Amino acid sequence: DAGVTQSPTHLIKTRGQQVTLRCSPISGHKSVSWYQQVLGQGPQFIFQYYEKEERGRGNFPDRFSARQFPNYSSELNVNALLLGDSALYLCASSGGQRGGWNEQFFGPGTRLTVL
Amino acid sequence: AQTVTQSQPEMSVQEAETVTLSCTYDTSESDYYLFWYKQPPSRQMILVIRQEAYKQQNATENRFSVNFQKAAKSFSLKISDSQLGDAAMYFCAYGYTGANSKLTFGKGITLSVRP
Repeated sequence: DAGVTQSPTHLIKTRGQQVTLRCSPISGHKSVSWYQQVLGQGPQFIFQYYEKEERGRGNFPDRFSARQFPNYSSELNVNALLLGDSALYLCASSGGQRGGWNEQFFGPGTRLTVL
Repeated sequence: AQTVTQSQPEMSVQEAETVTLSCTYDTSESDYYLFWYKQPPSRQMILVIRQEAYKQQNATENRFSVNFQKAAKSFSLKISDSQLGDAAMYFCAYGYTGANSKLTFGKGITLSVRP
């Protein structure tokens, strides 16, 4: 039974560039959430999407955007990268038979390094 | 806004002994969930245990149990018979369920297990 998958695993970009991170939820899950985890800190909520609609947004600038596709996969886009965007980006899914709404299942994350 | 506080940055326990990790939170809501997540060096965030706020009975999962004090807004995790594989970062999280699910995490605590 496949878990949440994210791609790529690692990514190195330079300041000012744009990046797209991808997430595939657990089969049957309709909600995807994105979190940013800076080294040594707890994850910070960025977005939640449910049924292709944005349901929640954390305290992040407009450089961060996301979308959810009809198959419930999701992309997180970050424009005009700053050094401070270097972090582990986690995707989590929920809202299906596996776990229902009681648990968010996390992917392995994408490690973004901005030079 | 909800906040989660983990004031102990690091803890150490002898293998086979018991350790308790502390967490406090602040909220004005009455219905919510509390979670403990484990994040080993592999980065995969794994749910350890979940507590529904409306349940008075403390949750238990094998060697893991919680002490949930709703009035005091305290949610500690007890790990019994500690094993080397328990070494990881542990995050306390507060969340909602449903189509507007969002988790608020504490800063985490690094647990080391001495053989």
